[in-house]
Amino acid sequence: DAGITQSPRYKITETGRQVTLMCHQTWSHSYMFWYRQDLGHGLRLIYYSAAADITDKGEVPDGYVVSRSKTENFPLTLESATRSQTSVYFCASNPEVGLEAFFGQGTRLTVV
Amino acid sequence: QKEVEQNSGPLSVPEGAIASLNCTYSDRGSQSFFWYRQYSGKSPELIMSIYSNGDKEDGRFTAQLNKASQYVSLLIRDSQPSDSATYLCAVTLIAGAGSYQLTFGKGTKLSVIP
Repeated sequence: DAGITQSPRYKITETGRQVTLMCHQTWSHSYMFWYRQDLGHGLRLIYYSAAADITDKGEVPDGYVVSRSKTENFPLTLESATRSQTSVYFCASNPEVGLEAFFGQGTRLTVV
Repeated sequence: QKEVEQNSGPLSVPEGAIASLNCTYSDRGSQSFFWYRQYSGKSPELIMSIYSNGDKEDGRFTAQLNKASQYVSLLIRDSQPSDSATYLCAVTLIAGAGSYQLTFGKGTKLSVIP
């Protein structure tokens, strides 16, 4: 199916564990983004990528790692999960600078 | 820190009325402006995009942009209960080669009362 998909949709992990959230898009969009959404904070940018092998930090990058070896994939890794990283994570993409972004379904992550 | 400000609401309007949602942004260099709608438990979906000063209409929705005042608004005419959602304002700033921020406000929760 065309579009942007995230996996898993729901994840429960323990403090200190490494966890990777996957994002895959079929449009060949250049730009991809990871946001987290928390009550009272709205959507906050974690990392973004302008193309394969090009990534940059957003507003809240600490504790997260990204990679983009292929245009269509943009995984987000929490190296050592903390309870403060409990959130809903959204991946988004857009074809070029300045245009609208399209969102995946989101991943609800709970760190216990 | 680039900021996008919205009233959190909730904003309650009766069915059939006009809902007016407002957003201000801090960076005068911002270039693209978007309104997204987000239903509870769902991902944001694009409602309107606007790139130049003035009004842009699409069905029951009108986006208004005033770059001098750093202000963007969304009007929803003939509001329906199905319009009840959180509306997110988003702003694009291109800071340089490869540097690009898409920043969201915290959203305004709209309730349309039947």
